[in-house]
Amino acid sequence: EPEVTQTPSHQVTQMGQEVILRCVPISNHLYFYWYRQILGQKVEFLVSFYNNEISEKSEIFDDQFSVERPDGSNFTLKIRSTKLEDSAMYFCATTGLAGGPQETQYFGPGTRLLVL
Amino acid sequence: AQTVTQSQPEMSVQEAETVTLSCTYDTSESDYYLFWYKQPPSRQMILVIRQEAYKQQNATENRFSVNFQKAAKSFSLKISDSQLGDAAMYFCAYKGETSGSRLTFGEGTQLTVNP
Repeated sequence: EPEVTQTPSHQVTQMGQEVILRCVPISNHLYFYWYRQILGQKVEFLVSFYNNEISEKSEIFDDQFSVERPDGSNFTLKIRSTKLEDSAMYFCATTGLAGGPQETQYFGPGTRLLVL
Repeated sequence: AQTVTQSQPEMSVQEAETVTLSCTYDTSESDYYLFWYKQPPSRQMILVIRQEAYKQQNATENRFSVNFQKAAKSFSLKISDSQLGDAAMYFCAYKGETSGSRLTFGEGTQLTVNP
């Protein structure tokens, strides 16, 4: 069964450093999402992306964050200058061809980011 | 804004028994979709079951079924014949027809299965 994959599985970084989290969507999926889960808290939506554009973003997704699909396969989330409060599990999710609300989002295994 | 509430932070069940996890939500939309995701210790989010609000029939997937009460805005998950592998955090999630593509999650319920 096709899966969403994410790299790295764990990342430790110093405050102020840039990090890039990578996701490889399920083949033929065109809608992509990032969520984060701070330890012990709810999973929170960050951003959705379609056709090389952000289609929706939450209030969490400020200027420190950016997303892109640089090579037609990977979908990346960049945090420009990490803060302690960015420490969280980051999940990528993808949706099939229709991309509408009826579509199920399939999640990757997550990247655990620790900012020191 | 839509909200999803899971009032049971923790639940436990004996192996082979049945357990029900509760979820309520608040929305002004008439069309929406509801999901239960499972998050085992590996922390990967795995879809368990989904329900379309326009469908009156409750969804079932093998040992997993839901009790969807649209008027009460309730969406509970029943796990029958519980297995040790069912132990995980379970999240209820909502996605509206007109409110964008984001999933809104509840706080989660940690399920323990006792042998």
